[in-house]
Amino acid sequence: DAEITQSPRHKITETGRQVTLACHQTWNHNNMFWYRQDLGHGLRLIHYSYGVQDTNKGEVSDGYSVSRSNTEDLPLTLESAASSQTSVYFCASSESLGDNEQYFGPGTRLTVT
Amino acid sequence: GQNIDQPTEMTATEGAIVQINCTYQTSGFNGLFWYQQHAGEAPTFLSYNVLDGLEEKGRFSSFLSRSKGYSYLLLKELQMKDSASYLCAVNDYKLSFGAGTTVTVRA
Repeated sequence: DAEITQSPRHKITETGRQVTLACHQTWNHNNMFWYRQDLGHGLRLIHYSYGVQDTNKGEVSDGYSVSRSNTEDLPLTLESAASSQTSVYFCASSESLGDNEQYFGPGTRLTVT
Repeated sequence: GQNIDQPTEMTATEGAIVQINCTYQTSGFNGLFWYQQHAGEAPTFLSYNVLDGLEEKGRFSSFLSRSKGYSYLLLKELQMKDSASYLCAVNDYKLSFGAGTTVTVRA
């Protein structure tokens, strides 16, 4: 069955370190998205991609970067982790932008100490 | 910019009906999603409204009024397993989410 996976599921890192969160989908979807979820804020869009070599900034992109070298993967990199980036991160993918029903991965809980 | 509002919390009794409202003011609009999210889990799709009116799916129904910037999710015959957060999201080729409504179902 097609699925979307994230790794690691839990990560503790120190301030200033570079961290990469992996997202892999086997739906063959062109569209992929990264969100962070914090209490009181709901899901906020960090970066998104509409296809290979395409990346776009979302509403909270500062301190994050993504790259899309193939259809299946959209890794999220925190260049220099900060305590404000402690959060739960969800990756999602969708087949069509018209209805844009997004399928979410299980999430990665990141703690920056 | 995007402004999407929904109540923070609601409590209801098992077997009852609860209506979760969502109002939005967004720069673009292609449709409105409702997602369900249980604690510690990923959001899962409930409904998608593009046109005005009511869409019914079993115990769950969703309504949209584009002219009023308003939607609601209606949960009927509440069950304990319906205790979760319900997220309203506007589709403008990317999704903008409200902060979510936590529904607690009491026995």
